Amino acid sequence: GNSVTQMEGPVTLSEEAFLTINCTYTATGYPSLFWYVQYPGEGLQLLLKATKADDKGSNKGFEATYRKETTSFHLEKGSVQVSDSAVYFCALAQIQGAQKLVFGQGTRLTINP
Amino acid sequence: DAGVTQSPTHLIKTRGQQVTLRCSPKSGHDTVSWYQQALGQGPQFIFQYYEEEERQRGNFPDRFSGHQFPNYSSELNVNALLLGDSALYLCASSLRNGVETQYFGPGTRLLVL
Repeated sequence: GNSVTQMEGPVTLSEEAFLTINCTYTATGYPSLFWYVQYPGEGLQLLLKATKADDKGSNKGFEATYRKETTSFHLEKGSVQVSDSAVYFCALAQIQGAQKLVFGQGTRLTINP
Repeated sequence: DAGVTQSPTHLIKTRGQQVTLRCSPKSGHDTVSWYQQALGQGPQFIFQYYEEEERQRGNFPDRFSGHQFPNYSSELNVNALLLGDSALYLCASSLRNGVETQYFGPGTRLLVL
């Protein structure tokens, strides 16, 4: 079945550091890939997405590239801010039929000033 | 444009009781999905409703049931509550075309004592 594996957290960085959160997936066919962010006490917000191989999703300085050959969708940001502290979830969805999202376990990111 | 709304925000129940959670989708969306997020975990798909019918279901027992109304709003019902049902319940809405992103509500936090 479909599954998503994220790098284990928590991750703690200093402000302006470079961020990478690894995500790999197992799926049949060609799923769409997503990064969602969850701030304390809130629901999930879509951060970025990519729907086909070699697509790059980007938003708010975050980027991730859909790599079919390595089945990966790593999240990167060049210079993190304290306000980026949150839990980040990688997810996939098969387009056929009902778009059920399959999530990774989440990575808690803390940015220190 | 109102986003996805859920009620109540918090709920405390005792084992064996029944609970009903409610969701109003984002304006223009016709599909509602429900997810369960246990503490420290990624969300798990419960089921999805479209045209007032359950279209797809995750690995959850029959104690979990739902309903979608003509105005696309939805309810999640859980019978015979167990301690393990304590979680954040997230509702997500989307369009049925299969490629539209799912937008999440803030969730209902259920505590079963």
